[in-house]
Amino acid sequence: DTAVSQTPKYLVTQMGNDKSIKCEQNLGHDTMYWYKQDSKKFLKIMFSYNNKELIINETVPNRFSPKSPDKAHLNLHINSLELGDSAVYFCASSHPLGGSPLHFGNGTRLTVT
Amino acid sequence: GENVEQHPSTLSVQEGDSAVIKCTYSDSASNYFPWYKQELGKGPQLIIDIRSNVGEKKDQRIAVTLNKTAKHFSLHITETQPEDSAVYFCAAAYSTLTFGKGTMLLVSP
Repeated sequence: DTAVSQTPKYLVTQMGNDKSIKCEQNLGHDTMYWYKQDSKKFLKIMFSYNNKELIINETVPNRFSPKSPDKAHLNLHINSLELGDSAVYFCASSHPLGGSPLHFGNGTRLTVT
Repeated sequence: GENVEQHPSTLSVQEGDSAVIKCTYSDSASNYFPWYKQELGKGPQLIIDIRSNVGEKKDQRIAVTLNKTAKHFSLHITETQPEDSAVYFCAAAYSTLTFGKGTMLLVSP
């Protein structure tokens, strides 16, 4: 009964490929996020969805496309993978923006070779 | 936008000592300040948070203090234990959380 679960945990792929990461939360939260954590552990927000609607889209290449089929799911699709995309990607959820704790998944380690 | 500075980047202490991690923020509108602990191979987990109408909050061995005038807040861990070893992140928000760059805490037995 994991609160925020994301799959796969590890993803190794070659440059130029397209891959997806799936995320689901069972906390009943309205807002979901994708964060990228680089090799120096810096956490940077990529996207935020509220009730399936995109509300935050930071400066992220348009090769990254989030999709939210319902408010419990937020998937991340990445086209034409590049070496620099290698990182750990975290899904998170919370009640509406502002002053609500984030609940993170355990991350997907993406390695692009 | 908000900018959060966190120090130190690494902190080594002996078991039983206290550990203090400090953060400063730039946006005076920020009113929510959580702290997260990230263990190896896991996602960050909330350990304590404080809102702008409170100056201090304590939960067992962990305490957080907030100085809104100076725009800084700190995490205090007393009687550290080896299982406290992890990366700790501060964050600040009015609407969207902005994280500090993390502090790797190592507690030696």
